[in-house]
Amino acid sequence: QKEVEQNSGPLSVPEGAIASLNCTYSDRGSQSFFWYRQYSGKSPELIMFIYSNGDKEDGRFTAQLNKASQYVSLLIRDSQPSDSATYLCAVSEGGGADGLTFGKGTHLIIQP
Amino acid sequence: DAGVIQSPRHEVTEMGQEVTLRCKPISGHDYLFWYRQTMMRGLELLIYFNNNVPIDDSGMPEDRFSAKMPNASFSTLKIQPSEPRDSAVYFCASSLVIGSYNNEQFFGPGTRLTVL
Repeated sequence: QKEVEQNSGPLSVPEGAIASLNCTYSDRGSQSFFWYRQYSGKSPELIMFIYSNGDKEDGRFTAQLNKASQYVSLLIRDSQPSDSATYLCAVSEGGGADGLTFGKGTHLIIQP
Repeated sequence: DAGVIQSPRHEVTEMGQEVTLRCKPISGHDYLFWYRQTMMRGLELLIYFNNNVPIDDSGMPEDRFSAKMPNASFSTLKIQPSEPRDSAVYFCASSLVIGSYNNEQFFGPGTRLTVL
């Protein structure tokens, strides 16, 4: 049984600060890791993916992967109120060309 | 492109009735996925297709659920008979697989199903 664990939150962060979201996964065969953002009542949208150990940066977002520890994280720098949403961590054995296994998400609140 | 299209957006039905959810993937995409989202269980994969062929249906909860993809531009998810525990948001997603590690799945707006 593949499992992806996230702290459900809510995680409250002041505007302008760094938000840190964490995720652990159980399947060592997982190849790719995705962070989706979901606003209330909306569908998930992809923010970032990562498949190599280390850090990957895209604008204000940094994804971090440690396969030995089976740990993925997402950092959001200079947090904005518009970043308030639920962040879903997802893992894939097939690079996304298979069904994703999602965590239940972390609810992030950016306080103005 | 219009993105992934799902219909209906909302469905309210009574227990025992048949429900059919519809999805039109993004043109040219070769993978189609059906997911279900509830507060208790989060977002779960039900089934996915590659080039209209079902690849993995291990997430389909019971025989009451069935899915088809008769052509590259249309898929249905049917629940017969429906039960209150089927109440959830059902998402369809599609993807064009071009790499080994970084294939984005694009989600439709979802169908909110309520079974009374």
